[in-house]
Order: sequence, then structure tokens, then C-alpha cells
Amino acid sequence: DARVTQTPRHKVTEMGQEVTMRCQPILGHNTVFWYRQTMMQGLELLAYFRNRAPLDDSGMPKDRFSAEMPDATLATLKIQPSEPRDSAVYFCASGLEQGHHEQYFGPGTRLTVT
Amino acid sequence: RKEVEQDPGPFNVPEGATVAFNCTYSNSASQSFFWYRQDCRKEPKLLMSVYSSGNEDGRFTAQLNRASQYISLLIRDSKLSDSATYLCVVKPPDTGRRALTFGSGTRLQVQP
Repeated sequence: DARVTQTPRHKVTEMGQEVTMRCQPILGHNTVFWYRQTMMQGLELLAYFRNRAPLDDSGMPKDRFSAEMPDATLATLKIQPSEPRDSAVYFCASGLEQGHHEQYFGPGTRLTVT
Repeated sequence: RKEVEQDPGPFNVPEGATVAFNCTYSNSASQSFFWYRQDCRKEPKLLMSVYSSGNEDGRFTAQLNRASQYISLLIRDSKLSDSATYLCVVKPPDTGRRALTFGSGTRLQVQP
């Protein structure tokens, strides 16, 4: 049963610290997405990769956030420096850029910045 | 106007009831449509894709009305385990840079 995996599952850090979240997409999927979910804002798209190339990161605060795919099996989302308003659940999802375009989500990283 | 709009609910229904959710989308050229389910403190999970002719999966029926730009989800014989938030999801026209657009979700609470 192929799944998207994310690490860490939980992260508590102090304001100003760097946070790195990792995602392993489902093998064979060529699209990867990063989302942020809060009670107030719902699910927001932060970044979108196709074949490891960034296609859309318009939803991501560029001054502190960065997203990369060093290889096809790893996507990273970094926040530096972190702020309390970054506290949220960060989901990674992967899919195929063909057919019906379904996305499959990882379990998320629950980030708390104090 | 939001790209995808849903009634946030909550919908409180007794076990065994039939419940329907609607969702409207703003871009008439949208291509693909889905319903996702999200349990409390969990990730969204694909419930079903929505096809033009409508489709059914057990107790769940999804319909698409392109003329009116809405999607519906019907749940028959509700179970306690159906309690969750249901997200309506739309794929905008393929400009090469747009991913799926998620609605804010409709919360369902099935009561014994």
C-alpha cells in the first residue's frame, strides 16, 4: 500500500529557529505539493512541483520559506526564521500529472512555533 | 467570489439518514472534480472522483452539473464513521501551473 511519508510528525520550536520538513512522495508520482492548514485559513497551497521543477510557489512567503526537490524521492520545505504565525499542519501530497489528477496526502507535520 | 464554495455546516444527522452536500465552483472551464474526506487531526483522503455522468461507490453518489457549476455528494444510510469534514476539490483549466483548488469543507456529524 503505497503512501506519502512525512517527517517529523510533530515539531515544537522557538521563534527564530530553522525548521525543515521532509516528504517522500509515492514512487512513480511526478507531482508534489506542499499545503498548510490552519483552523482560520483552511488548506492553502504553498508550492507545487512537477518532475522536480517548481511550477507554482505563489502561495509561499518567499522571505522565509523555501521548497526544493533534491531528488525524485525527497521534497523539503524549510522555514528560516520561523515565527509563531507559522504554527500549522503542513501536508505534502503527490500525484500523477495525467489522467484525473488525484492527489494523495501524507500524514502531515504539526508545527508549533513558540 | 471564492473559486470553490461549500456550506461549512455542521450537518447533524441521525444514523441511517441520507444527507447531501453541494459545492459550487467559479471557473466554468474547470476540468476535474473530487470529494475528499478529512477526519479530525488527519490528512485529507480521496473519497471519490466525480465524473460527468455521475458515479456511485457503495453508499456514496457524486454528481456533476457543468451547466450550473455545482457538484454534489449524497451519502445514504449514514454511519457514525461517516462523521468527518468533506472537501470539494476542483482542478482549474490546465495552464500548466495550477494545482487543485480545495473548498473549505462541510462538516458532518452523524449521531447515534
